[in-house]
Amino acid sequence: NAGVMQNPRHLVRRRGQEARLRCSPMKGHSHVYWYRQLPEEGLKFMVYLQKENIIDESGMPKERFSAEFPKEGPSILRIQQVVRGDSAAYFCASSRTQGPDTQYFGPGTRLTVL
Amino acid sequence: QQQVKQSPQSLIVQKGGISIINCAYENTAFDYFPWYQQFPGKGPALLIAIRPDVSEKKEGRFTISFNKSAKQFSLHIMDSQPGDSATYFCAASLQGGSEKLVFGKGTKLTVNP
Repeated sequence: NAGVMQNPRHLVRRRGQEARLRCSPMKGHSHVYWYRQLPEEGLKFMVYLQKENIIDESGMPKERFSAEFPKEGPSILRIQQVVRGDSAAYFCASSRTQGPDTQYFGPGTRLTVL
Repeated sequence: QQQVKQSPQSLIVQKGGISIINCAYENTAFDYFPWYQQFPGKGPALLIAIRPDVSEKKEGRFTISFNKSAKQFSLHIMDSQPGDSATYFCAASLQGGSEKLVFGKGTKLTVNP
């Protein structure tokens, strides 16, 4: 039973480029959450998605950031025109559809903006 | 009101000792309180979680104590081992964990042999 998968694990981008981070939830999970972790900081919620729907994007910056979770395929976190301040570890978590539940985290994508 | 405050920031314990990490929250609507363990370069892994209808939950060497009136909860690691050296995060959530998690800033635990 594979866990949450994220790719790439490491991503280097120059300022102004686009970054695409992918997350495949655990089998049977249809809820996906994205969190950002800055060095020496806790994780900060960004966005919560279900299949084809954004449920809560209250933690996502209004500009340059977008997320999707299509009917087929992984969830994508997209950062346009990256800046150095976007350098961080981005974690995806997934949970099942019903009932009290827990979020299981992937290994993260470490984004470095040069 | 959405904050979770965690202390201490770092903790050094001798092998065999007890490690205690504390968290406090403001939002009384939180109803799910997990603890995560994170090793360098890895994602957080769920360690143990508690709901406010119980005051204590124990799993092996790990115990959560929960004080609803004080809006505080803590993680106790008994017989701490060098392999427990990691960063620990407390968190809180609404709707039994199906909504976003609000994390504390983390505690870096070092267990000396």
